[in-house]
Amino acid sequence: EDQVTQSPEALRLQEGESSSLNCSYTVSGLRGLFWYRQDPGKGPEFLFTLYSAGEEKEKERLKATLTKKESFLHITAPKPEDSATYLCAVQATGGFKTIFGAGTRLFVKA
Amino acid sequence: NAGVTQTPKFQVLKTGQSMTLQCAQDMNHEYMSWYRQDPGMGLRLIHYSVGAGITDQGEVPNGYNVSRSTTEDFPLRLLSAAPSQTSVYFCASQDRGQETQYFGPGTRLLVL
Repeated sequence: EDQVTQSPEALRLQEGESSSLNCSYTVSGLRGLFWYRQDPGKGPEFLFTLYSAGEEKEKERLKATLTKKESFLHITAPKPEDSATYLCAVQATGGFKTIFGAGTRLFVKA
Repeated sequence: NAGVTQTPKFQVLKTGQSMTLQCAQDMNHEYMSWYRQDPGMGLRLIHYSVGAGITDQGEVPNGYNVSRSTTEDFPLRLLSAAPSQTSVYFCASQDRGQETQYFGPGTRLLVL
């Protein structure tokens, strides 16, 4: 069964304190792994798609990496405006359905 | 472009009532989906559509109906609301051949 587990559930950082969010996944065949950002009261907003192990993508202070079993979202020198819930999701080959993890709530204090 | 729009933003229902959650997109995307989001759980797929006239069940379809008469619209119908359907509902659209989904702002539903 396809499954996505994110850790930690919540993460509190000081401004400038770098850290990583983890996404462990089990999927029959990976078509793509996605990272989304969700602000309170809003819909998820797309950040990255990763397709194969070893792939990395960056956007401002965020960098996403992928292995055969995990993905990491690295946050370098975070700012308070990075506070949000970060969602990881996978889509299997040959299918349409996207499986989401429960998310990591990130709080960055000034 | 307005993107994906959802109405209403918030709704309170009594057990047994029916209602329709509206979703529209102006990006000419073929694929559309409905998800529900509950505390401590990931987004769960309710129903999806790969084109006008074509719909299929997702992970948690019971108690919900959908139809897709046009490319733009994908309404979600609650047949007889139950407290277990209290949730936040998100509609998403996706272009054929692309994996990126674009989400609406959500509808918060409370069933008493």
